[in-house]
Amino acid sequence: NAGVTQTPKFRILKIGQSMTLQCTQDMNHNYMYWYRQDPGMGLKLIYYSVGAGITDKGEVPNGYNVSRSTTEDFPLRLELAAPSQTSVYFCASSYFARGEGELFFGEGSRLTVL
Amino acid sequence: QKEVEQNSGPLSVPEGAIASLNCTYSDRVSQSFFWYRQYSGKSPELIMSIYSNGDKEDGRFTAQLNKASQYVSLLIRDSQPSDSATYLCAVDPYNFNKFYFGSGTKLNVKP
Repeated sequence: NAGVTQTPKFRILKIGQSMTLQCTQDMNHNYMYWYRQDPGMGLKLIYYSVGAGITDKGEVPNGYNVSRSTTEDFPLRLELAAPSQTSVYFCASSYFARGEGELFFGEGSRLTVL
Repeated sequence: QKEVEQNSGPLSVPEGAIASLNCTYSDRVSQSFFWYRQYSGKSPELIMSIYSNGDKEDGRFTAQLNKASQYVSLLIRDSQPSDSATYLCAVDPYNFNKFYFGSGTKLNVKP
């Protein structure tokens, strides 16, 4: 049982490049999330999904796109990378039980945009 | 914008002391509250959840919730050096499994 798996763990991008952060979970959780964490800061919600085919914006969605075609996968797409997107990105999942969901996090993906 | 505020610290306590971590939130209707621990370079992990006013105890950890004053706190008794980490407060305002985090408080427990 792998839990939440993110790839890549590290990536350096040049300004203007694009990339996709991959996330997959094997816990059959219906909810999935993408957060970013800047140095010394908390987690900011980028996008989340309540199930396959359904996504919603979080606090900081600009510059990102997501899709959820299956229960297991929730990739995050960065278009036209900017230095402000340098951060650690965490994918997470939870099983919806009203008000009682626990977030299960992946190990994080450290992205640097130069 | 759902505001969740924490003192960034660092909070330094000697081994064996009680560490007190505080969190305030802006949305008065918020229903569910969580404390996560994050070791340096690692992902967050859940320590406690609390939904009702009052105290909830789990081992050395006690979460306290006061909805009228819009604050939630975490007490760590008999603090150990292994408790040194950043503690993140999270709120799920409407019980929709949509979680908003504070900036975290860094705790240092000195041997």
